[in-house]
Amino acid sequence: QQQVKQSPQSLIVQKGGISIINCAYENTAFDYFPWYQQFPGKGPALLIAIRPDVSEKKEGRFTISFNKSAKQFSLHIMDSQPGDSATYFCAASIFPNFGNEKLTFGTGTRLTIIP
Amino acid sequence: NAGVTQTPKFRVLKTGQSMTLLCAQDMNHEYMYWYRQDPGMGLRLIHYSVGEGTTAKGEVPDGYNVSRLKKQNFLLGLESAAPSQTSVYFCASTPDRLGNYGYTFGSGTRLTVV
Repeated sequence: QQQVKQSPQSLIVQKGGISIINCAYENTAFDYFPWYQQFPGKGPALLIAIRPDVSEKKEGRFTISFNKSAKQFSLHIMDSQPGDSATYFCAASIFPNFGNEKLTFGTGTRLTIIP
Repeated sequence: NAGVTQTPKFRVLKTGQSMTLLCAQDMNHEYMYWYRQDPGMGLRLIHYSVGEGTTAKGEVPDGYNVSRLKKQNFLLGLESAAPSQTSVYFCASTPDRLGNYGYTFGSGTRLTVV
Protein backbone atom coordinates (compact mmCIF):
# COMPACT_ATOMS: atom_id res chain seq x y z
CA GLN A 1 0.00 0.00 0.00
CA GLN A 2 1.60 3.21 -1.20
CA GLN A 3 0.72 5.93 1.29
CA VAL A 4 2.71 8.63 -0.50
CA LYS A 5 2.28 8.87 -4.28
CA GLN A 6 4.94 10.77 -6.21
CA SER A 7 4.94 12.04 -9.79
CA PRO A 8 6.42 12.20 -12.31
CA GLN A 9 8.72 9.20 -12.28
CA SER A 10 11.23 11.07 -14.42
CA LEU A 11 11.58 14.69 -15.46
CA ILE A 12 13.79 16.51 -17.93
CA VAL A 13 14.14 20.27 -17.56
CA GLN A 14 16.26 22.77 -19.40
CA LYS A 15 18.91 24.69 -17.49
CA GLY A 16 17.39 27.78 -15.94
CA GLY A 17 13.88 26.35 -15.95
CA ILE A 18 11.58 25.40 -13.07
CA SER A 19 11.45 21.77 -11.97
CA ILE A 20 8.23 20.68 -10.24
CA ILE A 21 7.71 17.37 -8.46
CA ASN A 22 4.39 16.48 -6.87
CA CYS A 23 3.36 14.22 -4.01
CA ALA A 24 0.00 13.21 -2.59
CA TYR A 25 -0.68 11.43 0.67
CA GLU A 26 -3.58 9.52 2.14
CA ASN A 27 -2.97 9.41 5.88
CA THR A 28 -4.42 12.60 7.40
CA ALA A 29 -2.30 11.99 10.50
CA PHE A 30 0.84 12.83 8.53
CA ASP A 31 2.18 16.20 9.59
CA TYR A 32 5.84 16.28 8.63
CA PHE A 33 6.85 16.36 4.98
CA PRO A 34 10.55 16.29 4.03
CA TRP A 35 12.20 16.05 0.66
CA TYR A 36 15.38 14.08 0.11
CA GLN A 37 17.92 14.37 -2.70
CA GLN A 38 19.97 11.40 -3.86
CA PHE A 39 22.96 11.45 -6.21
CA PRO A 40 24.09 8.25 -7.98
CA GLY A 41 25.99 5.91 -5.68
CA LYS A 42 25.08 7.90 -2.58
CA GLY A 43 22.47 7.69 0.10
CA PRO A 44 19.60 10.22 0.19
CA ALA A 45 20.18 13.48 2.02
CA LEU A 46 17.64 15.83 3.58
CA LEU A 47 16.98 18.78 1.28
CA ILE A 48 14.09 20.70 2.83
CA ALA A 49 11.10 19.92 5.05
CA ILE A 50 7.75 21.47 5.91
CA ARG A 51 5.10 21.13 8.59
CA PRO A 52 1.45 21.85 7.80
CA ASP A 53 1.23 25.04 9.85
CA VAL A 54 2.64 26.88 6.81
CA SER A 55 1.67 26.64 3.14
CA GLU A 56 5.11 27.32 1.73
CA LYS A 57 8.75 27.08 2.74
CA LYS A 58 11.65 28.40 0.73
CA GLU A 59 15.36 27.66 1.05
CA GLY A 60 17.43 29.21 -1.70
CA ARG A 61 16.20 27.90 -5.04
CA PHE A 62 14.12 25.15 -3.42
CA THR A 63 10.52 25.70 -2.35
CA ILE A 64 7.96 23.35 -0.84
CA SER A 65 4.30 24.19 -1.45
CA PHE A 66 1.77 22.49 0.79
CA ASN A 67 -1.99 22.11 0.28
CA LYS A 68 -3.49 20.51 3.36
CA SER A 69 -7.07 20.30 2.07
CA ALA A 70 -5.94 18.52 -1.10
CA LYS A 71 -3.41 16.39 0.82
CA GLN A 72 -0.72 17.37 -1.66
CA PHE A 73 2.71 18.92 -1.50
CA SER A 74 5.25 19.76 -4.15
CA LEU A 75 8.89 20.66 -4.61
CA HIS A 76 9.80 23.54 -6.91
CA ILE A 77 13.39 24.05 -8.04
CA MET A 78 13.88 27.50 -9.50
CA ASP A 79 16.64 28.28 -12.02
CA SER A 80 17.42 24.56 -12.30
CA GLN A 81 21.10 23.72 -12.77
CA PRO A 82 22.89 20.61 -14.08
CA GLY A 83 24.13 20.01 -10.53
CA ASP A 84 20.49 19.52 -9.48
CA SER A 85 20.32 16.35 -11.58
CA ALA A 86 19.50 13.66 -9.02
CA THR A 87 16.68 11.51 -7.73
CA TYR A 88 14.26 13.28 -5.41
CA PHE A 89 12.09 11.57 -2.83
CA CYS A 90 9.20 13.06 -0.94
CA ALA A 91 8.33 11.56 2.40
CA ALA A 92 5.85 11.89 5.23
CA SER A 93 5.57 10.95 8.86
CA ILE A 94 3.61 11.70 11.96
CA PHE A 95 5.29 14.48 13.96
CA PRO A 96 6.03 13.91 16.71
CA ASN A 97 5.86 10.23 16.20
CA PHE A 98 4.84 8.97 19.61
CA GLY A 99 6.36 5.59 19.01
CA ASN A 100 5.83 5.55 15.26
CA GLU A 101 9.21 7.00 14.41
CA LYS A 102 9.52 6.29 10.73
CA LEU A 103 9.27 8.02 7.39
CA THR A 104 7.16 6.77 4.50
CA PHE A 105 8.84 7.60 1.20
CA GLY A 106 7.45 8.22 -2.26
CA THR A 107 8.71 6.25 -5.24
CA GLY A 108 11.18 8.91 -6.38
CA THR A 109 11.62 11.23 -9.35
CA ARG A 110 14.73 11.14 -11.50
CA LEU A 111 15.44 14.74 -12.50
CA THR A 112 17.76 15.55 -15.39
CA ILE A 113 18.74 19.13 -16.16
CA ILE A 114 19.93 19.60 -19.72
CA PRO A 115 22.04 22.53 -20.97
CA ASN B 1 34.46 11.47 9.39
CA ALA B 2 31.22 11.35 11.36
CA GLY B 3 28.36 9.60 9.68
CA VAL B 4 26.78 6.28 8.85
CA THR B 5 29.04 3.52 7.55
CA GLN B 6 27.69 0.44 5.80
CA THR B 7 29.65 -2.72 5.12
CA PRO B 8 30.01 -4.38 2.72
CA LYS B 9 29.41 -2.04 -0.23
CA PHE B 10 28.79 -4.86 -2.69
CA ARG B 11 27.96 -8.54 -2.32
CA VAL B 12 26.83 -11.40 -4.53
CA LEU B 13 25.06 -14.28 -2.80
CA LYS B 14 23.76 -17.58 -4.03
CA THR B 15 20.15 -18.47 -3.29
CA GLY B 16 19.90 -19.96 0.19
CA GLN B 17 23.07 -18.39 1.55
CA SER B 18 23.03 -16.16 4.58
CA MET B 19 24.75 -12.89 5.32
CA THR B 20 24.77 -9.93 7.67
CA LEU B 21 24.89 -6.29 6.67
CA LEU B 22 26.49 -3.99 9.20
CA CYS B 23 25.53 -0.40 9.86
CA ALA B 24 27.63 1.72 12.21
CA GLN B 25 27.05 5.34 13.24
CA ASP B 26 29.31 7.49 15.37
CA MET B 27 26.85 10.33 16.02
CA ASN B 28 25.25 8.83 19.12
CA HIS B 29 21.91 8.68 17.31
CA GLU B 30 19.07 6.93 19.08
CA TYR B 31 17.04 5.88 16.05
CA MET B 32 18.26 3.61 13.26
CA TYR B 33 16.57 2.21 10.16
CA TRP B 34 17.09 -0.26 7.35
CA TYR B 35 15.54 0.53 3.97
CA ARG B 36 15.69 -1.23 0.63
CA GLN B 37 15.61 0.67 -2.63
CA ASP B 38 14.23 -0.90 -5.78
CA PRO B 39 13.54 0.74 -9.17
CA GLY B 40 10.10 2.29 -9.29
CA MET B 41 9.37 1.44 -5.66
CA GLY B 42 11.32 4.06 -3.79
CA LEU B 43 12.61 3.39 -0.31
CA ARG B 44 10.76 0.80 1.72
CA LEU B 45 11.35 0.32 5.42
CA ILE B 46 12.47 -3.17 6.46
CA HIS B 47 13.10 -2.84 10.21
CA TYR B 48 13.92 -0.04 12.58
CA SER B 49 15.12 0.58 16.12
CA VAL B 50 14.20 3.32 18.56
CA GLY B 51 17.04 2.53 20.93
CA GLU B 52 19.63 0.02 22.02
CA GLY B 53 18.10 -3.40 22.49
CA THR B 54 14.85 -2.54 20.68
CA THR B 55 13.72 -3.39 17.16
CA ALA B 56 10.46 -3.19 15.25
CA LYS B 57 9.10 -4.33 11.90
CA GLY B 58 8.68 -1.97 9.02
CA GLU B 59 6.80 -2.28 5.76
CA VAL B 60 8.67 -5.25 4.26
CA PRO B 61 10.20 -7.30 7.12
CA ASP B 62 9.75 -10.84 5.76
CA GLY B 63 13.01 -12.70 5.17
CA TYR B 64 15.07 -10.30 7.30
CA ASN B 65 16.10 -10.12 10.94
CA VAL B 66 17.83 -7.33 12.84
CA SER B 67 19.68 -6.72 16.06
CA ARG B 68 20.71 -3.59 17.96
CA LEU B 69 22.97 -4.90 20.73
CA LYS B 70 25.01 -1.70 20.80
CA LYS B 71 23.65 1.78 20.28
CA GLN B 72 26.06 2.53 17.44
CA ASN B 73 25.43 -0.65 15.43
CA PHE B 74 22.37 -1.96 13.63
CA LEU B 75 22.72 -5.34 11.89
CA LEU B 76 20.51 -6.65 9.12
CA GLY B 77 20.52 -10.40 8.53
CA LEU B 78 19.33 -12.52 5.66
CA GLU B 79 18.97 -16.11 6.82
CA SER B 80 18.25 -17.70 3.44
CA ALA B 81 18.73 -15.29 0.58
CA ALA B 82 16.26 -15.23 -2.31
CA PRO B 83 16.51 -13.50 -5.72
CA SER B 84 13.67 -11.18 -4.60
CA GLN B 85 16.09 -9.74 -2.05
CA THR B 86 18.33 -8.37 -4.78
CA SER B 87 18.33 -4.68 -3.98
CA VAL B 88 20.27 -1.72 -2.68
CA TYR B 89 20.09 -1.55 1.10
CA PHE B 90 20.39 1.71 2.99
CA CYS B 91 20.86 2.27 6.67
CA ALA B 92 19.85 5.57 8.26
CA SER B 93 19.94 7.17 11.68
CA THR B 94 18.48 10.21 13.37
CA PRO B 95 19.07 11.72 16.80
CA ASP B 96 15.56 12.48 17.92
CA ARG B 97 11.94 11.64 17.34
CA LEU B 98 11.08 15.21 16.42
CA GLY B 99 12.61 14.94 12.98
CA ASN B 100 14.44 18.25 13.31
CA TYR B 101 17.66 16.88 11.89
CA GLY B 102 16.38 14.54 9.21
CA TYR B 103 17.84 11.15 8.54
CA THR B 104 21.53 10.56 7.87
CA PHE B 105 21.90 7.77 5.34
CA GLY B 106 24.82 5.51 4.61
CA SER B 107 26.08 5.08 1.05
CA GLY B 108 24.32 1.76 0.58
CA THR B 109 25.03 -1.94 0.05
CA ARG B 110 24.30 -3.36 -3.38
CA LEU B 111 23.25 -6.99 -2.96
CA THR B 112 22.69 -9.41 -5.79
CA VAL B 113 21.19 -12.85 -5.13
CA VAL B 114 21.69 -15.35 -7.96
